[in-house]
Amino acid sequence: GAGVSQSPSNKVTEKGKDVELRCDPISGHTALYWYRQSLGQGLEFLIYFQGNSAPDKSGLPSDRFSAERTGGSVSTLTIQRTQQEDSAVYLCASSYIQGTLAKNIQYFGAGTRLSVL
Amino acid sequence: KQEVTQIPAALSVPEGENLVLNCSFTDSAIYNLQWFRQDPGKGLTSLLLIQSSQREQTSGRLNASLDKSSGRSTLYIAASQPGDSATYLCAVRKETSGSRLTFGEGTQLTVNP
Repeated sequence: GAGVSQSPSNKVTEKGKDVELRCDPISGHTALYWYRQSLGQGLEFLIYFQGNSAPDKSGLPSDRFSAERTGGSVSTLTIQRTQQEDSAVYLCASSYIQGTLAKNIQYFGAGTRLSVL
Repeated sequence: KQEVTQIPAALSVPEGENLVLNCSFTDSAIYNLQWFRQDPGKGLTSLLLIQSSQREQTSGRLNASLDKSSGRSTLYIAASQPGDSATYLCAVRKETSGSRLTFGEGTQLTVNP
């Protein structure tokens, strides 16, 4: 596709339910990132994938959060037993690794707005 | 732990004015710094990326400077237009992190016609 695609764009759920958020990166991008943007918290890093493996998942806030990536493409972020403090916009980004990792620009999707009631 | 601060949090200016957005970071051991633009309901768009060895980058009406030793960056917008209205975020990448970006909380800019 032309850009990073995330679905759903909005998700409303009840406290205690599980949710899955999906990210389709730009075709050919090997690196994929998840961030969370909360009101008053700014944008926080959650996890980074290189291919299907996650070298850095230190930003996941608790063991209720998990993510996987299959086929080096689509990624799913799963939040179990959602809490109200999980309400935020979840952003996904992808980048093409050329040269050193740190030089590569990350391209962001529009995000999924999660509201936990 | 790296902390990134952006000042001001919000800014409202008349069309045509030149303006400066500020970004500061606590750990000067960065690999690069990026400025992004975020429009409501949309993702982030990368505007400028400055490597730690560079002093500034320019793109059209935008100019970003970096003073790594003092932990500061500025984004200069010349001849502002209503279409520039958005939230501007700066983010730094630490030398050893490999990948993660640490973001400031952003400056919400409104350019009035």
